[in-house]
Amino acid sequence: AQSVSQHNHHVILSEAASLELGCNYSYGGTVNLFWYVQYPGQHLQLLLKYFSGDPLVKGIKGFEAEFIKSKFSFNLRKPSVQWSDTAEYFCAVLDTGRRALTFGSGTRLQVQP
Amino acid sequence: DAGVTQSPTHLIKTRGQQVTLRCSPISGHKSVSWYQQVLGQGPQFIFQYYEKEERGRGNFPDRFSARQFPNYSSELNVNALLLGDSALYLCASSTGQGETQYFGPGTRLLVL
Repeated sequence: AQSVSQHNHHVILSEAASLELGCNYSYGGTVNLFWYVQYPGQHLQLLLKYFSGDPLVKGIKGFEAEFIKSKFSFNLRKPSVQWSDTAEYFCAVLDTGRRALTFGSGTRLQVQP
Repeated sequence: DAGVTQSPTHLIKTRGQQVTLRCSPISGHKSVSWYQQVLGQGPQFIFQYYEKEERGRGNFPDRFSARQFPNYSSELNVNALLLGDSALYLCASSTGQGETQYFGPGTRLLVL
């Protein structure tokens, strides 16, 4: 069965600091990977996705993620965070058989002004 | 364009009751998936429907059921509610069978 691990449960950064959130997955099939963000009081929004091709994918709001197949990782990065990035971030892998997303447990990011 | 809509936004039920949650997908999307998100955890997959047929099922008991209508909207039904069913229920839609899923705001269910 597939699984997703997010090692950082709670991250606190100051504005302008760089961000890297870890995500490791376990899945034997074709890998489709996603990062979603849930801002306070809002619904899950797609940040970025990887299906194939360039392993460095760029998403909205200056976020990017790198797919490293040998490490089964899909880490999320942002060079300089803003207070408005305070949110919960979820990594997910698509089970292409069941067409179901398997999510990690999430990382709560708190950016202090 | 309107996103995924869900109703109701909040619901309070007592143990043993039954509940029906509703979802309307993004216009043009034919697939709807349901997820349960318990506080402090990531969403857990319940069902996926495509073209009105169940195409995927997660590890949930038979008390959970769903259906998709000809207009691609969907309902999730939960019978014999337990306290542990208290959660945020999310609906997601996609054009095909789940590649990129777009989520609605969810229905928060509290079982007392």
